Amino acid sequence: EPEVTQTPSHQVTQMGQEVILRCVPISNHLYFYWYRQILGQKVEFLVSFYNNEISEKSEIFDDQFSVERPDGSNFTLKIRSTKLEDSAMYFCASSVDREGGYTFGSGTRLTVV
Amino acid sequence: QKEVEQNSGPLSVPEGAIASLNCTYSDRGSQSFFWYRQYSGKSPELIMFIYSNGDKEDGRFTAQLNKASQYVSLLIRDSQPSDSATYLCAVNVLPEGAQKLVFGQGTRLTINP
Repeated sequence: EPEVTQTPSHQVTQMGQEVILRCVPISNHLYFYWYRQILGQKVEFLVSFYNNEISEKSEIFDDQFSVERPDGSNFTLKIRSTKLEDSAMYFCASSVDREGGYTFGSGTRLTVV
Repeated sequence: QKEVEQNSGPLSVPEGAIASLNCTYSDRGSQSFFWYRQYSGKSPELIMFIYSNGDKEDGRFTAQLNKASQYVSLLIRDSQPSDSATYLCAVNVLPEGAQKLVFGQGTRLTINP
């Protein structure tokens, strides 16, 4: 079964450093998303991406965050200057259309120290 | 603020019984509703989605939607120990374009052999 692939599975970074989280969505999917889940809390929407541009972003997704689809397969989330409160599990997701549900990747656990 | 509320549980159900999980949402304009299952430390996995009032069945799972009451539920028949997980209710709060899912905090379900 097709899956969304995320790398790395775990990233430890120092506060203030830049991190790039990588995702390979399912190949025929058109909509791409990033969500995050702080330990013990709800899954939270960060951003959606369609037709090579951001279509919606949350208030969490401030100027420190950016997304890119640099080629036909990868979808990345960059955090420019990490803060302690950015520590969370970050999930990439994709969908073939806007009607059905997403397929989530296995996640990247980001720990900011 | 658009909210999705779930009883966090834990909900304990004997093997073979019906598990009933409930969710309410605040945005009356929401059109699509999703149930995800999340095992500890793993990513959410789509179980099913529903758009229309009434019931939708898929194997042992039945989703029920009542838009007038802003209520969605998930029934799991013939519960198995492998169904033990946290069940996340999610609501798409965007009327068009890419989805933006607002998740509930999840209900932790334990199936007792």
